[in-house]
Amino acid sequence: IQMTQSPSSLSASVGDRVTITCRASQDMSNYLAWYQQKPGKVPKLLIYAASTLQPGVPSRFSGSGSGTDFTLTISSLQPEDVATYYCQKYNSDPWTFGQGTKVEIK
Amino acid sequence: QVQLVESGGGVVQPGRSLRVSCAASGFTFSNYGMHWVRQAPGKGLEWVAVISYNGRLKFYVDSVKGRFTISRDNSKNTLYLQMNSLRVEDTAVYYCAKEYSNNPDYFDYWGQGTLVTVSS
Repeated sequence: IQMTQSPSSLSASVGDRVTITCRASQDMSNYLAWYQQKPGKVPKLLIYAASTLQPGVPSRFSGSGSGTDFTLTISSLQPEDVATYYCQKYNSDPWTFGQGTKVEIK
Repeated sequence: QVQLVESGGGVVQPGRSLRVSCAASGFTFSNYGMHWVRQAPGKGLEWVAVISYNGRLKFYVDSVKGRFTISRDNSKNTLYLQMNSLRVEDTAVYYCAKEYSNNPDYFDYWGQGTLVTVSS
């Protein structure tokens, strides 16, 4: 299964709504996770089961979708959200990641 | 608290071997599947391998099949990745990651990573 994220990068203003999409080449139900990797840091789990927020993650992050099309939304972009975001399938081998979306502040 | 600490990275020549380790603590290691994920300099995340909680099931990304071997020692709470016939393109930070459960699952904890550089 291939995981295709778009866009590969984006620049938005503080307070903007940001949307990242992830498309799978095959139906994967809701076995999708989103990770955030800040510059020089270890990846951090944000969302699992496509839409379940990991405890401690700010509520401005949300996920949706099932089957082949998924979305990560940041409702109001904050400076601390500057990072690269990755989707990942996890229902079976291989545990493929998307290529990443780099989010910057305009 | 859960801790995953990788070690064993370094500089190695193409064609040689290296073993990296991941020492786990803060959870019952023998109950969880464990993974290796790598990240080449300036690039994205690439899943490398998984081993089931009991070591019986192992899967690999195509690019390392036949060269890398994942293993674990549940008595030592340690995960390993034996890397043979290393190539320049294997240069990356190697992270170990814990599955949320003992079924195929997402990664709830990651180590800090160990850098492997393959260069002549």
